[in-house]
Amino acid sequence: QKEVEQNSGPLSVPEGAIASLNCTYSDRGSQSFFWYRQYSGKSPELIMFIYSNGDKEDGRFTAQLNKASQYVSLLIRDSQPSDSATYLCAVNGYSTLTFGKGTMLLVSP
Amino acid sequence: NAGVTQTPKFQVLKTGQSMTLQCAQDMNHNSMYWYRQDPGMGLRLIYYSASEGTTDKGEVPNGYNVSRLNKREFSLRLESAAPSQTSVYFCASSEAGAGNNEQFFGPGTRLTVL
Repeated sequence: QKEVEQNSGPLSVPEGAIASLNCTYSDRGSQSFFWYRQYSGKSPELIMFIYSNGDKEDGRFTAQLNKASQYVSLLIRDSQPSDSATYLCAVNGYSTLTFGKGTMLLVSP
Repeated sequence: NAGVTQTPKFQVLKTGQSMTLQCAQDMNHNSMYWYRQDPGMGLRLIYYSASEGTTDKGEVPNGYNVSRLNKREFSLRLESAAPSQTSVYFCASSEAGAGNNEQFFGPGTRLTVL
């Protein structure tokens, strides 16, 4: 059974700060990693995906992958109150994704 | 493009009743998925269809059946609803297997079983 672990939070940061969200996974053979954002009462939407070790940047978001440590993270720079949501980490399987339980992020003005 | 659509948006059932949740996508995706989301449990895969004509069990298939009606449509049926099936149900689709393709989610169905 593949496992994807996330701290449930909430993670509270002030507006303008960097939010760091972390995720560990159990299957060393996993190749693809996804970060989804889910606002309360809404469906998940993809923010970023990463396949290779290192950093991948997209605007204020940076995904970091360390396959040796089985660790993937999402950094949000200049956090805004509109970033307040639950962030889901997902790891690929043969034909499916395994999701973590999500970390709630609260950005205070 | 509507993306992934689900009907109904809300439903209340009594224990033992049956119902079918409908899902359709207009992105010409091969793969479709049904998840349930419960507080503190994250998204759990119920069933998926990697391609038209195939279906497979996910993590929590008991009490559910699915039908991949055609490439666009993937339905989820509860034959005899139980209170434990109270949840939010999401349908998703992806271009191919989830390995390298993002999944697009529908708006969800909030189901309450009394």
